[in-house]
Amino acid sequence: AQSVTQLGSHVSVSEGALVLLRCNYSSSVPPYLFWYVQYPNQGLQLLLKYTSAATLVKGINGFEAEFKKSETSFHLTKPSAHMSDAAEYFCAVSDPNTGTASKLTFGTGTRLQVTL
Amino acid sequence: DTAVSQTPKYLVTQMGNDKSIKCEQNLGHDTMYWYKQDSKKFLKIMFSYNNKELIINETVPNRFSPKSPDKAHLNLHINSLELGDSAVYFCASSQSTSYGLQQYFGPGTRLTVL
Repeated sequence: AQSVTQLGSHVSVSEGALVLLRCNYSSSVPPYLFWYVQYPNQGLQLLLKYTSAATLVKGINGFEAEFKKSETSFHLTKPSAHMSDAAEYFCAVSDPNTGTASKLTFGTGTRLQVTL
Repeated sequence: DTAVSQTPKYLVTQMGNDKSIKCEQNLGHDTMYWYKQDSKKFLKIMFSYNNKELIINETVPNRFSPKSPDKAHLNLHINSLELGDSAVYFCASSQSTSYGLQQYFGPGTRLTVL
């Protein structure tokens, strides 16, 4: 069964520092991959998604992620953190071969803290 | 205009009660979902409907019964509420069931069972 693993439930960076949030997937074939962000007391918002086009995907708010098949990874990065980036980040996978429509399987989430 | 809305935002109730959560989307989407987010922020899909037809039904107690009166609405009724049902419930929608489509989430309903 498809799954995603997010390494690090809590990441803390200084404002202006590089943000790196890790996501590894397990799937027999390259799946569709997503990063969602959840701000406090809000629903989830799509940051970016990989759907087998370019391996480097650019999203909103300056975030990007690179799909690496050899490493089964889809890590999220941002060159310079801003205080407003503090939120919970979820990696999610949709496996075209499960036959279960557009089902998303989420990772356990990473809380990003940004300090001054 | 809110794309996916849920009511109520907060729900506090006693064990054993029956409650409903309503969801509406004004995006013209065909597919809607219910997710449960537990206290550790873990998100898990519960149900999905496409054009009012149930297409995803995960391992959920049969005390939970979804209902889609039309494509724009998906409600969740919970019978005989238990302490373990306390969670945030999110509704979401997507244009169709095609893979790779973005899902749009509502603001969530925080259910607390006392």
